[in-house]
Amino acid sequence: DVKVTQSSRYLVKRTGEKVFLECVQDMDHENMFWYRQDPGLGLRLIYFSYDVKMKEKGDIPEGYSVSREKKERFSLILESASTNQTSMYLCASTLTPGGTYEQYFGPGTRLTVT
Amino acid sequence: TQLLEQSPQFLSIQEGENLTVYCNSSSVFSSLQWYRQEPGEGPVLLVTVVTGGEVKKLKRLTFQFGDARKDSSLHITAAQPGDTGLYLCAPFQGAQKLVFGQGTRLTINP
Repeated sequence: DVKVTQSSRYLVKRTGEKVFLECVQDMDHENMFWYRQDPGLGLRLIYFSYDVKMKEKGDIPEGYSVSREKKERFSLILESASTNQTSMYLCASTLTPGGTYEQYFGPGTRLTVT
Repeated sequence: TQLLEQSPQFLSIQEGENLTVYCNSSSVFSSLQWYRQEPGEGPVLLVTVVTGGEVKKLKRLTFQFGDARKDSSLHITAAQPGDTGLYLCAPFQGAQKLVFGQGTRLTINP
């Protein structure tokens, strides 16, 4: 059974703190993604990675960075958390190339920045 | 930037009723996926449609891809409380990425 896990379901941080969100997949997938989900805005892509040590900016990369040192792990970093980064963060992975582009999602991390 | 719109944004109906939700864009897509997200969980893929005019059925759910591949619909027959969730359409954007609509939040009341 495919599995994407995220390090925390709920997280509360203070403004200015450095925040790490971890995502691990056990499916040997090539591509991994970080999204944030806000009411009325759907899922917006922050960053994605199509290989180890490779990354590309998504639609809203400002204020975020990522790290992919191993194929199964993709980390999202908020260098200096701000209140407008309060959101639900979803990690996903997909098998491509040659796959159906089905994205497998983790359960999400609800981050609150106070 | 392509414009992707899902409608309605919210829908609350009684168990047993039928419903249709829509996903519309001004752009042509090579393929499109529908996901369902339940509270506290990540989205889960329901279906992928690829060919213009394609119709796929998943039990009581019927998905259609528009002839021009710019729009899609999801029809649910005899809705049940287990159908409650956020329905997201996600056209393939190319470069191995999907773009997600804002979703239709569906509530089925017993």
